[in-house]
Amino acid sequence: DVQLTQSPSSLSASVGDSVTITCRASQSINNFLNWYQQKPGKAPKILIYGASSLHDGVPSRFSGSGYGTEFTLTITSLQPEDFASYYCQHTYTTFYTFGQGTKLEIK
Amino acid sequence: QVQLQQSGPGLVKPSQTLSLTCVISGDNVSSSSSAWNWVRQSPSRGLEWLGRTYHRSKWYTDYADFVKGRLSVNPDTSKNQFSLQLISVTAEDTALYFCARKITLSGKGVFDAWGQGTLVTVSS
Repeated sequence: DVQLTQSPSSLSASVGDSVTITCRASQSINNFLNWYQQKPGKAPKILIYGASSLHDGVPSRFSGSGYGTEFTLTITSLQPEDFASYYCQHTYTTFYTFGQGTKLEIK
Repeated sequence: QVQLQQSGPGLVKPSQTLSLTCVISGDNVSSSSSAWNWVRQSPSRGLEWLGRTYHRSKWYTDYADFVKGRLSVNPDTSKNQFSLQLISVTAEDTALYFCARKITLSGKGVFDAWGQGTLVTVSS
């Protein structure tokens, strides 16, 4: 099974800052990598699919990159509504594992 | 747009069966371009994909190895919904359970619609 390791597990930043979250896969998953945002008590929301494609309606301050085993999610000019948890997920094989998450908190 | 509405009990006794239902609006459980999934989340195990059902001229199901043998995911075409049944539950199955739709965008699988979540506690 493909394991996904996210770093950091938590991150503090201020409104207006830029942040980058990394997701590493235990084997190559080409670009079958998604990023989700989750707020407390809510379902995850898709942000990025295929490693770098922005889903409909997602602000352009979110971007993704990577291929193979290393991927990044970058958020520029942080807005108050961006403080949440972020998860990567692969869909390379049927067993769709998720990363353990990164909690983005306000500094 | 597609909406998923979950229902089911929030408390299940150990060794009993956990049953949840996800009603679909805005799509069809028999759609040849969608797959219907269950995902759970707990503080100790994070987000875990559990299983799915989908229709491609016939019905298919897939399950995560760690629940295989205990989990059934079934479609109900008459009610446009799908269900989860997890047998022989233990405290380890305590989690927030979500149903989710997977579609394909540019050849990549995307979980683009989710239910509201059901917190299930396994306790006597």
